[in-house]
Amino acid sequence: DAGVTQSPTHLIKTRGQQVTLRCSPKSGHDTVSWYQQALGQGPQFIFQYYEEEERQRGNFPDRFSGHQFPNYSSELNVNALLLGDSALYLCASSLVAIQETQYFGPGTRLLVL
Amino acid sequence: KQEVTQIPAALSVPEGENLVLNCSFTDSAIYNLQWFRQDPGKGLTSLLLIQSSQREQTSGRLNASLDKSSGRSTLYIAASQPGDSATYLCAVSEYDKVIFGPGTSLSVIP
Repeated sequence: DAGVTQSPTHLIKTRGQQVTLRCSPKSGHDTVSWYQQALGQGPQFIFQYYEEEERQRGNFPDRFSGHQFPNYSSELNVNALLLGDSALYLCASSLVAIQETQYFGPGTRLLVL
Repeated sequence: KQEVTQIPAALSVPEGENLVLNCSFTDSAIYNLQWFRQDPGKGLTSLLLIQSSQREQTSGRLNASLDKSSGRSTLYIAASQPGDSATYLCAVSEYDKVIFGPGTSLSVIP
């Protein structure tokens, strides 16, 4: 049973560019959440998707957007990249019932130059 | 607004010692609390999940407790080993999101 997978593993972009990160949830999971983890800090919640809709959003600007596909996989898009967007981006999947454990992927490390 | 803190920020102990990591949260209306391990440059590994109705969970040398009323959780690691060196994060689940603490960086010296 494959766990949560993310691609790419590493990415280098320049300021002003746009980036798309991808996540495939654990088999049987229908909910995907995205987190940003800056160096030396705990992950910060970006948003969560269920049934192809954004259910909840953290304190992130509209430059951060997402999408969930019918197969439950998800994309995170970041426009007009800033140096401060450099971070590890984590995807987590779960069942819609919040009591279930969130399973985290290995993350995508984004460096903005 | 929920805030999660962890003490200490960093800890260095000799191999074989028992140790306790602390986590505090400000709003007791949580669904569950998780402890994660994160190795440098890597993703998160879930160690223990405590539901809001539970008091503790154990897995091998790890034991986590939860006191919702006081907004506290502890992670106890018995007989520490160099392989336990990592950052330990606690996280509380609210409706639709998980809120993390900043982590405790643990170094176990051989």
